[in-house]
This record gives sequence, structure tokens and C-alpha cells, in this order.
Amino acid sequence: DAGITQSPRHKVTETGTPVTLRCHQTENHRYMYWYRQDPGHGLRLIHYSYGVKDTDKGEVSDGYSVSRSKTEDFLLTLESATSSQTSVYFCAISQSGAEGIQYFGAGTRLSVL
Amino acid sequence: GENVEQHPSTLSVQEGDSAVIKCTYSDSASNYFPWYKQELGKRPQLIIDIRSNVGEKKDQRIAVTLNKTAKHFSLHITETQPEDSAVYFCAALDSYNAGNMLTFGGGTRLMVKP
Repeated sequence: DAGITQSPRHKVTETGTPVTLRCHQTENHRYMYWYRQDPGHGLRLIHYSYGVKDTDKGEVSDGYSVSRSKTEDFLLTLESATSSQTSVYFCAISQSGAEGIQYFGAGTRLSVL
Repeated sequence: GENVEQHPSTLSVQEGDSAVIKCTYSDSASNYFPWYKQELGKRPQLIIDIRSNVGEKKDQRIAVTLNKTAKHFSLHITETQPEDSAVYFCAALDSYNAGNMLTFGGGTRLMVKP
């Protein structure tokens, strides 16, 4: 498996609280992605990064923000968590986005009560 | 943007039989099509991929075919085994933007009965 670490692996929080998920890579890959996975919806892209401080929105970005201050770290923040954001969150990395090969982290299971 | 449809959503086969999963995509400019396997509670893992300049690719018991004209591609698993049971996702690469985003299909849950 590619050197990707997601933290925390599990989190339970309450509606309205801020939450930050971290993705850390040791592969020095340029591209990083955040997905959410829900039953019946497959994997949906939230935000992605194509370099340090270079980020953009994906398909389901409302309610989420990201930051990438270093090549190895990509943070996903839920400013005010809602129950609809209960999901499994996966980070992925890609060395060369044009080649398309993405490697996934182990995921973070988030429950918003 | 790209839209990927995947069928069937569930597939049950007997061990030793073949399984076929089909995907269609909407953007004719997409040029890379990976397949991921996700076992229960695990991360998605790439099992095979194909680029738009190739019509078919094989790797042991799995193969992928691509029909660019019809904008569809398929995963074929022969001689299925219980360990093939998992959820399979197809995807298409949208290389228009800076992030080279993958759009995923909704997934197929494959169950191989011993």
C-alpha cells in the first residue's frame, strides 16, 4: 500500500461542532483528493489539490473546506458538522494526475449525531 | 462534467462462473478507465485499468474491454472464486481541469457462492 495515513480512523461528534480530518502521505505525490463514500453513491469527490496551496472543489464540496500547506498533508474541515455529513471519508493520492492512478488511504468513519 | 453509470448494482454468481460488470461514460474526452475492488471495511484498491488507445487488457483472470465509440467499458472476471466477493467500482478520468479528477460509478456488489 502507498504511504497514506488518515487520522482519525473513527470519530463521533455532535451536530454543529467543527471537525478536521487529516491525510498524510510519504510518497511526495503532487495530487491529493478527498472523497466521501455513502451507500448507493459510490465515491464522490469533495475537494482536491494539485499542489501546495492549490486546491479546488469537487462534486460535493458544500459544507467542506480544505487546506494544503505542505506536500505531505491535506486537511479536510467540516466547519459545522451536520448529520448529512455522516459518512466514510477517503483520501487518495496520485503522482501524476494525467496518468490517473489514485491510491487510497484506509478511510475515516465519521458519525455526526 | 463526466457522468459514469455502472450496472448491475448487485451480481451473484456461482464459484467458477464468469462475472461481467458494465459501465458507460458521458464525456468522449475521457481517456483513462480504472477499476477498483473494495472488500468489506477496506480501502478501494486498483485491480486493472485501460487507456483510450487500447481496446482490451488482461491480467490473469480479469480483463477490461473498452468501446470508445459507444462510450462503455466492461470488467470481466473468469473462474470466479469466493475471494472475488467485493464491491467493484469503475471510473473515468476527466483531464480537462488541473486536478485530473476521477468520476466513479455507483459500484457493483459481487457475491461468489461456493
